[in-house]
Amino acid sequence: DTAVSQTPKYLVTQMGNDKSIKCEQNLGHDTMYWYKQDSKKFLKIMFSYNNKELIINETVPNRFSPKSPDKAHLNLHINSLELGDSAVYFCASSRESGIRRGNSPLHFGNGTRLTVT
Amino acid sequence: AQSVTQLDSHVSVSEGTPVLLRCNYSSSYSPSLFWYVQHPNKGLQLLLKYTSAATLVKGINGFEAEFKKSETSFHLTKPSAHMSDAAEYFCVVSDLASSGGYQKVTFGTGTKLQVIP
Repeated sequence: DTAVSQTPKYLVTQMGNDKSIKCEQNLGHDTMYWYKQDSKKFLKIMFSYNNKELIINETVPNRFSPKSPDKAHLNLHINSLELGDSAVYFCASSRESGIRRGNSPLHFGNGTRLTVT
Repeated sequence: AQSVTQLDSHVSVSEGTPVLLRCNYSSSYSPSLFWYVQHPNKGLQLLLKYTSAATLVKGINGFEAEFKKSETSFHLTKPSAHMSDAAEYFCVVSDLASSGGYQKVTFGTGTKLQVIP
């Protein structure tokens, strides 16, 4: 009955490889996000989708490409992985109605720890 | 402009003593404010939220926070710390972005709470 689930939980890979992280939410939310948490625990928004439409695209290398096949899923594909991509990536979701008022809390997955060697 | 400042990166308290985690914010709009907790190797869990209703907000696990507009603060408190409260705490401000009408969310840098037995 997990609300926001991400796979895999851990991902260890070498520089230059391409990898994907998957996210699914069963809360019926219309908006999904990807956040990156660095080693100092700082959380930075990467992308946000509302009803499968990209609404936030922060300054992120174009090696990162999100894909939302439907509003319950938001996947993150990363090409040509670099050492600096090592971090914990969190998926989150929120209700659309909250977005229009700016007061919708985010519901987070447990994160994917990516280690690039 | 929107920003949030968590005044302490680390707070250490003895078990059974009060907890105070400080947060100041700035926002061009009427903001919503949240506190999240992150236990080691876990995702972020919503503790409580302020969305322009009562200024004293009660959350889970005995935590509460008071919204003080004149001081632009939203400090998190708990009367008596428990060992299980040891975690990272994030203050979050949210409002409608100046363009696009979508929710803009900014995380603080986090406060690590240590509870000493």
